[in-house]
Amino acid sequence: DSGVTQTPKHLITATGQRVTLRCSPRSGDLSVYWYQQSLDQGLQFLIQYYNGEERAKGNILERFSAQQFPDLHSELNLSSLELGDSALYFCASSPRTRGEQYFGPGTRLTVT
Amino acid sequence: QQPVQSPQAVILREGEDAVINCSSSKALYSVHWYRQKHGEAPVFLMILLKGGEQKGHDKISASFNEKKQQSSLYLTASQLSYSGTYFCGTEPPITDRDDKIIFGKGTRLHILP
Repeated sequence: DSGVTQTPKHLITATGQRVTLRCSPRSGDLSVYWYQQSLDQGLQFLIQYYNGEERAKGNILERFSAQQFPDLHSELNLSSLELGDSALYFCASSPRTRGEQYFGPGTRLTVT
Repeated sequence: QQPVQSPQAVILREGEDAVINCSSSKALYSVHWYRQKHGEAPVFLMILLKGGEQKGHDKISASFNEKKQQSSLYLTASQLSYSGTYFCGTEPPITDRDDKIIFGKGTRLHILP
């Protein structure tokens, strides 16, 4: 158990809908990262927040947005969902802006 | 630029050794290694920060050649529990404008009894 929690564990929704994924980092960690992992694919970095501020952006679609709240939990919002958005979404946390990352168990999103 | 991992997949018998390589075309600040078992989250193994640095973790160790922008992960006397997909992640120097971690596509390791 990494200490990072993600909810929900599974999400099934229809195309065109909007969903919110939630992540709580390990106690004391200030950075939160979001990743997308499609079937048998690698980890695609989406976005990083550090202490409430956006720090780095990866290949995040305009339909996706994220934020980190004052209590350091983070939410990833996915809108106008398409079939291709079906994937595992991981969040990870770390104490600093760089360095080792601890991954949550992931949210499996299925868009039908 | 995404780091290149090799080999893409490897099958070993328990007790054999394996080497997984990670190569970048860009200057690096650090290299991370993670293992992901099927259906689970990636788990942090180790991070290497300095050129020429080597680290060990049980029978898993790694090296980082900063000049060649390469890292290698060594699995010695492999155990069944080592099976999974290994990812390297590279971070550029702090001065790099594109300051974010990028993961390789992964190397699948399957250990046979």
